Amino acid sequence: EAGVVQSPRYKIIEKKQPVAFWCNPISGHNTLYWYLQNLGQGPELLIRYENEEAVDDSQLPKDRFSAERLKGVDSTLKIQPAELGDSAVYLCASSPSRGAETQYFGPGTRLLVL
Amino acid sequence: RKEVEQDPGPFNVPEGATVAFNCTYSNSASQSFFWYRQDCRKEPKLLMSVYSSGNEDGRFTAQLNRASQYISLLIRDSKLSDSATYLCVVNPSGNNRKLIWGLGTSLAVNP
Repeated sequence: EAGVVQSPRYKIIEKKQPVAFWCNPISGHNTLYWYLQNLGQGPELLIRYENEEAVDDSQLPKDRFSAERLKGVDSTLKIQPAELGDSAVYLCASSPSRGAETQYFGPGTRLLVL
Repeated sequence: RKEVEQDPGPFNVPEGATVAFNCTYSNSASQSFFWYRQDCRKEPKLLMSVYSSGNEDGRFTAQLNRASQYISLLIRDSKLSDSATYLCVVNPSGNNRKLIWGLGTSLAVNP
C-alpha cells in the first residue's frame, strides 16, 4: 500500500514569494491533516479535513496561508507571501475515518525562506 | 502549564540499557494517548497506543497513570536503532479531532 505522498520534498524561496505544497493521502483515508514542525518541536496542526470539508482551521494563519481539498482526496497548502519565519517542515498526514486516531505521515516538505 | 510536557533530553544511554520517558498532560479528561517515534529528518510514525491497563510490545512498555496524569515509555535492552525522538501525543477531548503533541524526547543509544 502506498503511503502519504508529498511534493516537493524541499523548497527554497525568497521572502514574499508564494509557495505551494501538495499532498496525496493514503487511498481511502477520509481525514487529512496539515502540520507545521519546527526544529526541536512537535508537529503543530494547521488544518484538518474530513473529506473535502475543513473542520478545524483554527490554527491556520489565514492572512497568508490557504488550503484546499476540492475532491476530498489530494490537498494543496499555499503560503502567499512567505516570510522568513515560515521556514519549517510541512507535514501532511491522513487517517482512515473519523474514528481513527492513528495518523500516517508523509515525508514532509522542508521549506527554507531566504 | 503546557497541555503535554516532555523532558526534551537528550538521553544518552549505552546499548543494552533500560531507559524510561515520562510525559505529563494537563487535561484530566483526556481520553487516549500515544507514543510516536520520529527519526532524524523523517516523519513521525506511531510506536504504540497507551491503554489504561498498560501495554507491551517486545522491548517497549507503555503505561498510563491517570491519577498523576502522566504516561510513560520504557525501553529495555536498548539498541542503536532506538536512537530517535519519542513524541508523546494526547487526545484531550475524546473525539479524536485534535491530537496534542509534545515536543519530543531525544534518545541517543551509544555503542
